[in-house]
Amino acid sequence: DGGITQSPKYLFRKEGQNVTLSCEQNLNHDAMYWYRQDPGQGLRLIYYSQIVNDFQKGDIAEGYSVSREKKESFPLTVTSAQKNPTAFYLCASGTSSTDTQYFGPGTRLTVL
Amino acid sequence: RKEVEQDPGPFNVPEGATVAFNCTYSNSASQSFFWYRQDCRKEPKLLMSVYSSGNEDGRFTAQLNRASQYISLLIRDSKLSDSATYLCAVNLGGNEKLTFGTGTRLTIIP
Repeated sequence: DGGITQSPKYLFRKEGQNVTLSCEQNLNHDAMYWYRQDPGQGLRLIYYSQIVNDFQKGDIAEGYSVSREKKESFPLTVTSAQKNPTAFYLCASGTSSTDTQYFGPGTRLTVL
Repeated sequence: RKEVEQDPGPFNVPEGATVAFNCTYSNSASQSFFWYRQDCRKEPKLLMSVYSSGNEDGRFTAQLNRASQYISLLIRDSKLSDSATYLCAVNLGGNEKLTFGTGTRLTIIP
């Protein structure tokens, strides 16, 4: 099946720990995105990548890092520098010819 | 003013009624427009793209008003299963980034 997968679905971490969220797509999409969603605040863009080995900061990149070594994969690391990391993290992908984005099922991160 | 703005609702609408909501955007040069549906604790799912000429998909109609800088979503003959949060998304600046509204929450009442 074609689609976007994110793992894990739920993630718990202690303060001060880094954690990496996985995002994989087999849709042959060039562009991939990471968003964070908090209650009442909509989706906020963290990082995005339009081609392999290149990525740009979004609106709230501080405390996060990404890599894009393969077209299919765009992992997000939430570092200990992120002040309020508890949120719902959504990965999306899209083609370069349209702006349409398709979302993975998301990862709920809770910092204990 | 927010770049993309929606009335958060909630809209509580009886089953079978018609409901419409709007999404305003700040940049007159915006290129692409979309409506997404998001169920509670799930990911957003693309509902429809919004074309300049408007488009219709079954009970759903999307319109673009460039002069007033808003898009709209109309749902006819609403079903209980239409209960969700509806997010609009706009490409404000010609790159591949979308800016999302905070969503309008819709509840269809039996």
